[in-house]
Amino acid sequence: DARVTQTPRHKVTEMGQEVTMRCQPILGHNTVFWYRQTMMQGLELLAYFRNRAPLDDSGMPKDRFSAEMPDATLATLKIQPSEPRDSAVYFCASGLVLDSSYNEQFFGPGTRLTVL
Amino acid sequence: AQKVTQAQTEISVVEKEDVTLDCVYETRDTTYYLFWYKQPPSGELVFLIRRNSFDEQNEISGRYSWNFQKSTSSFNFTITASQVVDSAVYFCALSGSFNAGNQFYFGTGTSLTVIP
Repeated sequence: DARVTQTPRHKVTEMGQEVTMRCQPILGHNTVFWYRQTMMQGLELLAYFRNRAPLDDSGMPKDRFSAEMPDATLATLKIQPSEPRDSAVYFCASGLVLDSSYNEQFFGPGTRLTVL
Repeated sequence: AQKVTQAQTEISVVEKEDVTLDCVYETRDTTYYLFWYKQPPSGELVFLIRRNSFDEQNEISGRYSWNFQKSTSSFNFTITASQVVDSAVYFCALSGSFNAGNQFYFGTGTSLTVIP
């Protein structure tokens, strides 16, 4: 049963520290998404990739957030320096886009980040 | 502009009652997909259904059914004979155009509580 995996599942850190979240998409999927979920803002799209190339990262605070896909099996989201307002659940999702078909995204379990 | 509206923020029903969750969408694309996801208290987002814009047939899966009406831009979700395990937040989503990389536009979610 293929699943998106995310590490760590929980992270507590102090303000100013660097945080790196990792995601392993489902093998064979060619699109990867990073979302942030908070009570106030709901689900926000931060960035997404197709075939490892970033397509849009306009949802991310550029000065502190960065997203990369070093290879097809790993996506990372980094926050440096972290701030209390970054506290949220961060989801990674992957999907398969072929030609003009729009397929569902499969979500990982999320990383619950708390910045003190 | 792409937009999904879930006007019902919270719904409570007594077990075995039927409940309908509303979803209204806006898009200029002629080809698009609609989705429903379930987020139980455990936090994971679980894919429920995908529907493309050319298929207006209603779909039934066990106690779940979906009513897609292009004329009203709605994609409503009905749970028949609700159960406590149905308690969750339900999200409706719309896929963007292919050139946007299969980006999803999520509604704000409807929190369903089924009371035993």
